[in-house]
Amino acid sequence: QVQLVESGGGVVQPGRSLRLSCAASGLTFSSHGMHWVRQAPGKGLEWVAVISYDGSNQYYGDSVKGRFTISRDNSKNTLYLQMNSLRTEDTAVYSCAIAGSGHSYVYYWGQGTLVTVSS
Amino acid sequence: EIVLTQSPGILSLSPGERATLSCRASQSVSSSYLAWYQQAPGQAPRLLIYGASSRATGIPDRFSGSGSGTDFTLTISRLEPEDFAVYYCQQYSSSPPALTFGGGTKVEIK
Repeated sequence: QVQLVESGGGVVQPGRSLRLSCAASGLTFSSHGMHWVRQAPGKGLEWVAVISYDGSNQYYGDSVKGRFTISRDNSKNTLYLQMNSLRTEDTAVYSCAIAGSGHSYVYYWGQGTLVTVSS
Repeated sequence: EIVLTQSPGILSLSPGERATLSCRASQSVSSSYLAWYQQAPGQAPRLLIYGASSRATGIPDRFSGSGSGTDFTLTISRLEPEDFAVYYCQQYSSSPPALTFGGGTKVEIK
């Protein structure tokens, strides 16, 4: 059974950094592209970033470009999101997700970890 | 950037009724790149439809997707109690790669 377990969320001050992790099991992690998607409290879904199966390609949403970095360690079946220069508007539940064919949709979502950016 | 507009914002229906959800794009979207998701309260979203009309694994056949160009539709033929949730459409742009979600439609019990 596929499992995606996010960790690393918490409360952080504006301008600070945080790194999220996503531990994957029940799948051949190294064969799948992976997304990060976020959802602000009571709001809709916002795509954050995608990384190819081997980590060679990464793409970002406009609101996080230049501040966030997606990476992966296929030897550890783990996906990461390094978040720098955090803003209050980055407050959200961050979920890792398995990419569908050609990265064009999300095949399976984790439950997410809450990041709160507040002074 | 393509914007997806979902309507209505809230759909109030009774179990057993038919639900029709709309997703309109600001520019033409390839049918291959249109997906639908269901999010129950407190739960992670679940993939329902990809490629505009292909049901994901394990999705009941009361869910169907259709449409092309700028207008797409998710239809639930007969609402079951577990179908009352929020539904999102999503499109994919390839240059550069990016996903865009609609604002969602909440299907609530009337």
